[in-house]
Amino acid sequence: AQRVTQPEKLLSVFKGAPVELKCNYSYSGSPELFWYVQYSRQRLQLLLRHISRESIKGFTADLNKGETSFHLKKPFAQEEDSAMYYCALSGGSNYKLTFGKGTLLTVNP
Amino acid sequence: DAGITQSPRHKVTETGTPVTLRCHQTENHRYMYWYRQDPGHGLRLIHYSYGVKDTDKGEVSDGYSVSRSKTEDFLLTLESATSSQTSVYFCAISEFQGSNSPLHFGNGTRLTVT
Repeated sequence: AQRVTQPEKLLSVFKGAPVELKCNYSYSGSPELFWYVQYSRQRLQLLLRHISRESIKGFTADLNKGETSFHLKKPFAQEEDSAMYYCALSGGSNYKLTFGKGTLLTVNP
Repeated sequence: DAGITQSPRHKVTETGTPVTLRCHQTENHRYMYWYRQDPGHGLRLIHYSYGVKDTDKGEVSDGYSVSRSKTEDFLLTLESATSSQTSVYFCAISEFQGSNSPLHFGNGTRLTVT
C-alpha cells in the first residue's frame, strides 16, 4: 500500500523567512512524487514534480529515497505563498495518485 | 487553465435524496476523476474513468456511482445522500495515464447534506 504523510496541518512563518513543508511517503516500488497547491478561491494545481527537478515560484523539492521524504522548501517565503499544499505519490498511474492530508501555510507580513 | 467546469458550484440537499454532480471538459482528455476533499483527510479518489463507458472505483466509492456517456462529461451520482457525504467534490482530468500527465482540477462543488 502507498501512503503519504504530511505531519503539519498548519504552518505559519513570517515573510522573508525560510519555509519547509514536510512530506514522507511509504511505497514499495519506485515512487513518483508531486506537490499540488490550492490558493484561496482557486483550483488545485500542480506546483512541481520530482522528475522535473525544477524550481517553481522559488520552491524546490528533492526526493530522498533513504529518508523516504519529499520536503518542499523555499528560502524566502512571500505572502502570496499562503495556501494549502498537498504532497502526492503516484504508483505509476494517475488513478493510483495518493494525496497527503495537506498543510495550510500562512505567511505573515 | 484547463477547460473544466463543475456544476453546480454549491448544493444543499436533504438526507436520502439523489444528487448528481457534473464535470464537463473541453480538452478532449481521456481520463477523468472524482475526488472528495475533507479536512483531515486530504483528497480521496472516489471513481475514475479511462474512456467513454469505462469507469472504475477509487478508495472511497461506497455510496457513489458514475457515468461517462461522452468524452466531455463525467457524472457523479449519490443515490441516497447521507450527511457523511457532505464535502467538497473535485473533478480532475488528465491527457495520459501516467505521472508525466499531471491532473488538472475543476473549481469544485461544495455539497451539504442536511
